[in-house]
Amino acid sequence: DGGITQSPKYLFRKEGQNVTLSCEQNLNHDAMYWYRQDPGQGLRLIYYSQIVNDFQKGDIAEGYSVSREKKESFPLTVTSAQKNPTAFYLCASSIEPLRGNQPQHFGDGTRLSIL
Amino acid sequence: DAKTTQPNSMESNEEEPVHLPCNHSTISGTDYIHWYRQLPSQGPEYVIHGLTSNVNNRMASLAIAEDRKSSTLILHRATLRDAAVYYCILRDVSGSARQLTFGSGTQLTVLP
Repeated sequence: DGGITQSPKYLFRKEGQNVTLSCEQNLNHDAMYWYRQDPGQGLRLIYYSQIVNDFQKGDIAEGYSVSREKKESFPLTVTSAQKNPTAFYLCASSIEPLRGNQPQHFGDGTRLSIL
Repeated sequence: DAKTTQPNSMESNEEEPVHLPCNHSTISGTDYIHWYRQLPSQGPEYVIHGLTSNVNNRMASLAIAEDRKSSTLILHRATLRDAAVYYCILRDVSGSARQLTFGSGTQLTVLP
């Protein structure tokens, strides 16, 4: 079955450490997105990518970095500069970028906590 | 983005229909109405979307008011697995619809 796979499901970060969250899709979608969700809150966009080797900052990009070397993969690195990284991180994809009539498909998320 | 208003919570009995309302009085002509749901500790799941006409798929039906200022998500027979937070979202087809903007949604409780 096609879908989005996020790993790991749970991740712990030490002070000063960078960690990378994996996101892989086999839906052949061009656009991919990273969101952050805090308890009881909606989604906030961190980064998005419309095509391979291209990505743009979302509303809360500071302290995060991404790459898009392959269509299927869009890893997110949470750097030590992100001072409050504890959250639920969600990766999504859609067939076409920036089109309001296209649904986004989500992975099951990675829950990041600070040790 | 135009704003949506949903009740904070609703209850339904198992195997009965559920009608989840959404008000979007400032909707523009190019806004699609999307519904997503999110179960605890899972990513959101796309349910259905539409522009003007009512829509049906295997998960649900979407009824859109003639003036498009409100819509209703219909689950025809609620099951325990339908218990989730349901989000009604507007997305502009013409412009920078780069992200989903979730409001607080409706927490649906399904009673056995």
